[in-house]
Amino acid sequence: KAGVTQTPRYLIKTRGQQVTLSCSPISGHRSVSWYQQTPGQGLQFLFEYFSETQRNKGNFPGRFSGRQFSNSRSEMNVSTLELGDSALYLCASSLFLSSSYEQYFGPGTRLTVT
Amino acid sequence: SQQGEEDPQALSIQEGENATMNCSYKTSINNLQWYRQNSGRGLVHLILIRSNEREKHSGRLRVTLDTSKKSSSLLITASRAADTASYFCATEPGANNLFFGTGTRLTVIP
Repeated sequence: KAGVTQTPRYLIKTRGQQVTLSCSPISGHRSVSWYQQTPGQGLQFLFEYFSETQRNKGNFPGRFSGRQFSNSRSEMNVSTLELGDSALYLCASSLFLSSSYEQYFGPGTRLTVT
Repeated sequence: SQQGEEDPQALSIQEGENATMNCSYKTSINNLQWYRQNSGRGLVHLILIRSNEREKHSGRLRVTLDTSKKSSSLLITASRAADTASYFCATEPGANNLFFGTGTRLTVIP
């Protein structure tokens, strides 16, 4: 079974721009979660989608948004990029809600904002 | 913050030794999970222990959970160089969110 894939793997953007990251979950998984990882803040939960509905949202500003498609693929968007948005963005999928089931993580998208 | 705190932050041991890392959390939980992350890559799930379980084993891994102390420990026996990674605990406090701890950086010296 193919693992979780994320595209692109690396991205360099300029302050003020917007970016869209993509995540394809493991086949059959209905839950997709997004995390931001930085050296200073560690791993922080962004949001979780389950069957195209946002089920949970972390404490991030509205510039961070996401969506899930009927095939469970998910995208997250960050608008008006700031330097502090530079991070590794990780996507994870699980069969059902992530809190009760193991999550399978993708390799991440490394975003650098200059 | 509802994040767990791992202790120690960093651990360096010789190959063949055992490694123990601890996780403390603040609120009551339904389950606790441990993950491993190799440098700058995605996380790999290691083990999930539910709140009504006290101990769980998986290969060379042993996880304990003490809900009265709000703490968990991960023991890796007979460590190998390939175990070098960061280890995170993740707790689920009932809000359907997973909160990751700050991580323990384990270095196993061949």
